[in-house]
Amino acid sequence: KAGVTQTPRYLIKTRGQQVTLSCSPISGHRSVSWYQQTPGQGLQFLFEYFSETQRNKGNFPGRFSGRQFSNSRSEMNVSTLELGDSALYLCASSLVPGANTGELFFGEGSRLTVL
Amino acid sequence: AQSVSQHNHHVILSEAASLELGCNYSYGGTVNLFWYVQYPGQHLQLLLKYFSGDPLVKGIKGFEAEFIKSKFSFNLRKPSVQWSDTAEYFCAVTGLSGGYQKVTFGTGTKLQVIP
Repeated sequence: KAGVTQTPRYLIKTRGQQVTLSCSPISGHRSVSWYQQTPGQGLQFLFEYFSETQRNKGNFPGRFSGRQFSNSRSEMNVSTLELGDSALYLCASSLVPGANTGELFFGEGSRLTVL
Repeated sequence: AQSVSQHNHHVILSEAASLELGCNYSYGGTVNLFWYVQYPGQHLQLLLKYFSGDPLVKGIKGFEAEFIKSKFSFNLRKPSVQWSDTAEYFCAVTGLSGGYQKVTFGTGTKLQVIP
């Protein structure tokens, strides 16, 4: 079956702009998590959604937001972009919230560059 | 708050050498432990996981990890590495946070295997 799909794969923005990233989970998976990956920082947890509800949120400013739709697809938005937001944004899906089953299935990520 | 430490940021080994990557976590309750791997140009995927039972768990491609509760450690091992093991390895732990299970990743260890 198809894996986790993230779009766009690459994008370049300038400071102050906003960006929306999309994630389509594996068919049947209802939980979607978002992570920010940067060199030296590893994966920083952004938020997790299950059945359209945000279940958990990491320590990121309010400029980072997300949502999940009834078909389990998820979007995350970053407003007023800063240079430090340049990173690989990873989406992971699981049947139920990932921690309970143990396995997260990751997409290839959306690489955001902020100039 | 839970945290994960991976002390080796970059490891270089020759083929056939033995591998041990350190992972220590900080959390006061029951945890589930994981190792994920990210091969160059590919998405993160699960290598192995520990929930309960035998503290020595075996994963794919000859990897194994040992959970030592008294040391809060979950080190990854492989007796003889291959060039194809070149990748970045992430340790992860789950524990309760805000009433929900939350996955926390370490900063990753880049393994380079020289032929």
